[in-house]
Amino acid sequence: SAVISQKPSRDICQRGTSLTIQCQVDSQVTMMFWYRQQPGQSLTLIATANQGSEATYESGFVIDKFPISRPNLTFSTLTVSNMSPEDSSIYLCSLRSFWDEQFFGPGTRLTVL
Amino acid sequence: EDKVVQSPLSLVVHEGDTVTLNCSYEVTNFRSLLWYKQEKKAPTFLFMLTSSGIEKKSGRLSSILDKKELFSILNITATQTGDSAVYLCAVGRRQGAQKLVFGQGTRLTINP
Repeated sequence: SAVISQKPSRDICQRGTSLTIQCQVDSQVTMMFWYRQQPGQSLTLIATANQGSEATYESGFVIDKFPISRPNLTFSTLTVSNMSPEDSSIYLCSLRSFWDEQFFGPGTRLTVL
Repeated sequence: EDKVVQSPLSLVVHEGDTVTLNCSYEVTNFRSLLWYKQEKKAPTFLFMLTSSGIEKKSGRLSSILDKKELFSILNITATQTGDSAVYLCAVGRRQGAQKLVFGQGTRLTINP
């Protein structure tokens, strides 16, 4: 399966600032996704990162708050903008394989003070 | 609304025991059911099930899907302390939204 890397692994940020999370895959993939896992909760899809076009956002998530880039088939970024303590979560990038299996990156643990 | 429910939410057993984790779902246009193990941050893929009655096996772990009754089980035999983790069940749909719908997870603790 493809190797997924994310950075940063963790960060502590101040309220009102923004953080960009990078996701790199070692092979070209069509479907890439960004998920969030709030403390004590399960995973929730933020958006599907589309190569060459705007991301497709799930209900409750907007582009101004979570802008996503997907410049090519191996890389994507998620920015968490104007952060508040409620944004403290684990952020995970994910890809779907040719056989429909879905794999997750190592995650970014974000704490907002 | 799509729903995935896991039970139990928490389970504590002794090393060597066998455990069965449950996942039931109500999802339109079902495509697949996936099991993950989450120890720290990243969920690790275990199995993907698409057909009823066909057991998938990997070492001491096995899983099976019942599409008529809308549930799946994950079995772990001869448990070890390294099996302690949160086990997540997720369901994918055939059409429309590409997202996986996740259950709330089962926290499994294996005591030595």
